[in-house]
Amino acid sequence: DAGITQSPRHKVTETGTPVTLRCHQTENHRYMYWYRQDPGHGLRLIHYSYGVKDTDKGEVSDGYSVSRSKTEDFLLTLESATSSQTSVYFCAISESMGGTTNEQYFGPGTRLTVT
Amino acid sequence: AQSVTQLGSHVSVSEGALVLLRCNYSSSVPPYLFWYVQYPNQGLQLLLKYTTGATLVKGINGFEAEFKKSETSFHLTKPSAHMSDAAEYFCAVSGRNKLVFGAGTILRVKS
Repeated sequence: DAGITQSPRHKVTETGTPVTLRCHQTENHRYMYWYRQDPGHGLRLIHYSYGVKDTDKGEVSDGYSVSRSKTEDFLLTLESATSSQTSVYFCAISESMGGTTNEQYFGPGTRLTVT
Repeated sequence: AQSVTQLGSHVSVSEGALVLLRCNYSSSVPPYLFWYVQYPNQGLQLLLKYTTGATLVKGINGFEAEFKKSETSFHLTKPSAHMSDAAEYFCAVSGRNKLVFGAGTILRVKS
């Protein structure tokens, strides 16, 4: 299995509070991604990173920010959590974003509940 | 732009029966296609992928998929279902950059 860990694995928080989720990899892959998974929607890309301090928005980026200060860590922050952000969040990594090596490897997920 | 449609959010088969999970894609460039499997409370695991070359792709756990350009399809099959195949399956397409996932198909295997 690819060396990807996510923390915390479960979190319950209240509306309006800030939340940070961490993704850590030991594969030295350049590209890292944050997705959210909701029933009927599959996985939707929130943000991604193509290098240290290089990030870009995905299709559902509103209400989320990210940071990547080291190759191995990619943080996802909900500045002010809302109930619509209750979801399961997955981190993924890949060697490239195109070509034959763009398969992604996924972490175990973080289940976030906003009450 | 790329998109994926998975036909059937739930599929139920008997143990030993053929598994067929349908995936149609849209892509403006030659696609790379993937099937992932997700077991309960776990992350996604790559089953198989098509990049170029042979259109019939074999994956793990006895699964295979065939790329049909004329039908823009990449259906996943397994000749004989096992109880351990019960999971959610995601088809995904990639062009030059990000993966786009379908909504997923939950496979139920009846004993």
